Amino acid sequence: GAVVSQHPSRVICKSGTSVKIECRSLDFQATTMFWYRQFPKQSLMLMATSNEGSKATYEQGVEKDKFLINHASLTLSTLTVTSAHPEDSSFYICSARVRQHSNQPQHFGDGTRLSIL
Amino acid sequence: KQEVTQIPAALSVPEGENLVLNCSFTDSAIYNLQWFRQDPGKGLTSLLLIQSSQREQTSGRLNASLDKSSGRSTLYIAASQPGDSATYLCALYNNNDMRFGAGTRLTVKP
Repeated sequence: GAVVSQHPSRVICKSGTSVKIECRSLDFQATTMFWYRQFPKQSLMLMATSNEGSKATYEQGVEKDKFLINHASLTLSTLTVTSAHPEDSSFYICSARVRQHSNQPQHFGDGTRLSIL
Repeated sequence: KQEVTQIPAALSVPEGENLVLNCSFTDSAIYNLQWFRQDPGKGLTSLLLIQSSQREQTSGRLNASLDKSSGRSTLYIAASQPGDSATYLCALYNNNDMRFGAGTRLTVKP
């Protein structure tokens, strides 16, 4: 149980393109989803926390107009990288949590490798 | 703000050795601590989750300990195998979010 599916697994596109990444909880309802970014040989850095039906909370230094997050249902959150540039190339990972309590574990997707040419 | 440090950053051992990976944190007011494995270019695989009230968890050849008073956790891997080669991340839950260490890159040589 507690499977999180992330799609696509890899994206290669031209600079200026907008890219949408989907994160789905397949067998549970996720009130909270998280989006992380990981640069090569670095750890995961939290970008934003997404609660179903409300606006996402962004970490300091993350541009909310560049990284649009939508969490319209209890099983789907999307991250759209708008007008992507080479410096946005990274590994993006989502996670989902069942209930709105910090002691519940997060379940992670397999990540999306984004390469901007 | 929670700071999570993992030492060493990289470790290379011959097959069969027992080894210990370290994780330290600055804020002991945590809910849980979790150890993950990450293979190159892949997502995270959860290995062990230790609740705040627990001191250790075991799964097969893996044993994780938690000492909140000293702000430390260790991941012990017994009888290491080449298939254990990966990056190991520790992560802490507190204040509604999760903070990761930078990881330890483990290489187990045949």
